[in-house]
Amino acid sequence: TQLLEQSPQFLSIQEGENLTVYCNSSSVFSSLQWYRQEPGEGPVLLVTVVTGGEVKKLKRLTFQFGDARKDSSLHITAAQPGDTGLYLCAEGGTTSGTYKYIFGTGTRLKVLA
Amino acid sequence: GAGVSQTPSNKVTEKGKYVELRCDPISGHTALYWYRQSLGQGPEFLIYFQGTGAADDSGLPNDRFFAVRPEGSVSTLKIQRTERGDSAVYLCASRASGNTGELFFGEGSRLTVL
Repeated sequence: TQLLEQSPQFLSIQEGENLTVYCNSSSVFSSLQWYRQEPGEGPVLLVTVVTGGEVKKLKRLTFQFGDARKDSSLHITAAQPGDTGLYLCAEGGTTSGTYKYIFGTGTRLKVLA
Repeated sequence: GAGVSQTPSNKVTEKGKYVELRCDPISGHTALYWYRQSLGQGPEFLIYFQGTGAADDSGLPNDRFFAVRPEGSVSTLKIQRTERGDSAVYLCASRASGNTGELFFGEGSRLTVL
């Protein structure tokens, strides 16, 4: 069974600071998604990466997929209080032979004004 | 509505009771997923359906848990003889046809077993 470890588990920073969170797998991802979840709501998709070495940008968020497709990072520039939430990576491909979308352990981010 | 709908939003029950949680996916979405999430943790996969059939039920923790999707749309997660350890938020998600793509989640059903 593929395991997705995320680090750090918790992060509390001041508004305007930069941060990076990581997602690491015990095996190769076929594709990887990043979601953000706010309290009382379900996760919402931010991005999907498929190709090793791929970099995608979404406003102040930069997503990178490792060359070997076993890790990914999410970098936030000039964090804002609205970025507060639980960040989740998910593997949504055929690694296990099905499309069951395994989620990581999550990084809980709090941005202080 | 346009999104995934889950009912009830909150359910409090006593140990040993039977519980049903309902999920109404986005119209036309063929894949439907159930997850369980404990506070501050990532969602734990339980089961997913492709159409009416369970394509992968490897995440169901034991035989007290069962899910159905008889007409390929609405799904019900059924928990028998509930235990305190079953307390969690149960999330449902749906996905359009095709092998990969975005999961659209409901707001979840919070189950508390006393």
